[in-house]
Amino acid sequence: DTGVSQDPRHKITKRGQNVTFRCDPISEHNRLYWYRQTLGQGPEFLTYFQNEAQLEKSRLLSDRFSAERPKGSFSTLEIQRTEQGDSAMYLCASTHKGGANVLTFGAGSRLTVL
Amino acid sequence: AQRVTQPEKLLSVFKGAPVELKCNYSYSGSPELFWYVQYSRQRLQLLLRHISRESIKGFTADLNKGETSFHLKKPFAQEEDSAMYYCALLTGGGNKLTFGTGTQLKVEL
Repeated sequence: DTGVSQDPRHKITKRGQNVTFRCDPISEHNRLYWYRQTLGQGPEFLTYFQNEAQLEKSRLLSDRFSAERPKGSFSTLEIQRTEQGDSAMYLCASTHKGGANVLTFGAGSRLTVL
Repeated sequence: AQRVTQPEKLLSVFKGAPVELKCNYSYSGSPELFWYVQYSRQRLQLLLRHISRESIKGFTADLNKGETSFHLKKPFAQEEDSAMYYCALLTGGGNKLTFGTGTQLKVEL
């Protein structure tokens, strides 16, 4: 197990296009989180899953954002009709429920919307 | 409101000097706090958490509920300590972390 994997590492797209990011968590971790980070800011919570159930979604999150974790393993984050303001680093993290709330982060997927 | 404040964007110290990275929080419940670190070209990773009351890489942090602070300290800075440091608060019923904006620590020779 090489930790939390994210793909792609970089994505450049034109405004209005859809993009999808994938996250493969540590295999025995049942909780998976998505965060967004922009320049000069800390990671901002987007959503999290426990197994396949999406338990919370940030109220700040636009309806253009959707996340899935269909089999309780990998997760995808889709952004529809991208806007320039969506340009950011999208971070995935995983942990055990009851794992002392210690998150293991992936390297992130950097999105640039032109 | 649940909030983490790191007032310094950049902290520059000389090697061997003491380091204190400030973190203040706002939380109505019993706080659980963490320090995460990101070294250049590496992933965000846990440095320490207040529950463990441990010293990692010479760093310590004490939770002060009266001052609502969780400052990170090290008596003698090393060049390899140069990194971005984020303070984080467990919120959402203990289900998610709320991060501060981070402090860039630069240790100069």
